[in-house]
Amino acid sequence: GQNIDQPTEMTATEGAIVQINCTYQTSGFNGLFWYQQHAGEAPTFLSYNVLDGLEEKGRFSSFLSRSKGYSYLLLKELQMKDSASYLCAPYSGAGSYQLTFGKGTKLSVIP
Amino acid sequence: DTEVTQTPKHLVMGMTNKKSLKCEQHMGHRAMYWYKQKAKKPPELMFVYSYEKLSINESVPSRFSPECPNSSLLNLHLHALQPEDSALYLCASSQVAEYEQYFGPGTRLTVT
Repeated sequence: GQNIDQPTEMTATEGAIVQINCTYQTSGFNGLFWYQQHAGEAPTFLSYNVLDGLEEKGRFSSFLSRSKGYSYLLLKELQMKDSASYLCAPYSGAGSYQLTFGKGTKLSVIP
Repeated sequence: DTEVTQTPKHLVMGMTNKKSLKCEQHMGHRAMYWYKQKAKKPPELMFVYSYEKLSINESVPSRFSPECPNSSLLNLHLHALQPEDSALYLCASSQVAEYEQYFGPGTRLTVT
């Protein structure tokens, strides 16, 4: 089975930095996805971490610790358009195409 | 072309109706997925097709019947649905398991 935990909601100020945490317990693990979903829209891919450490991609960075079952998404220089839900999804790996999403963190960016 | 298209965008159907949702991609992806998303909840996986064969069925009721007629198309046939089946139905595709899944815009289904 899978157990994925993320904060339900977060609020941050435009221009600031915010870190969205995700802890997981899964029966199989290959890597972890982060997706962004604006209200009423489809999820879009942000990152996929397989190895421990931080991966940076522009204003967004994602960190993974496999031994701790922990990941975070770091958003820098927040913009109003970053207001969305951020979904953490551990991936079980070869032989299974399943993405089980966490409940998502709704981020509100305020002026 | 990095787009997954879904039709219709909105669908209202009665509990005795039969309807189909359609999904199409031309990215050469060989895995396609159906997800169901209720309001304020994350997407939940329903079905996975790999090389046009059903590989995963997440214990979905038989009133939902998927079909993958070719590598570019994915259908979801609906029959005798219940009001609680009202949701956003998302289609996605991917190249191989490790690659990102590209999501379509979804079909907003209302069962009356």
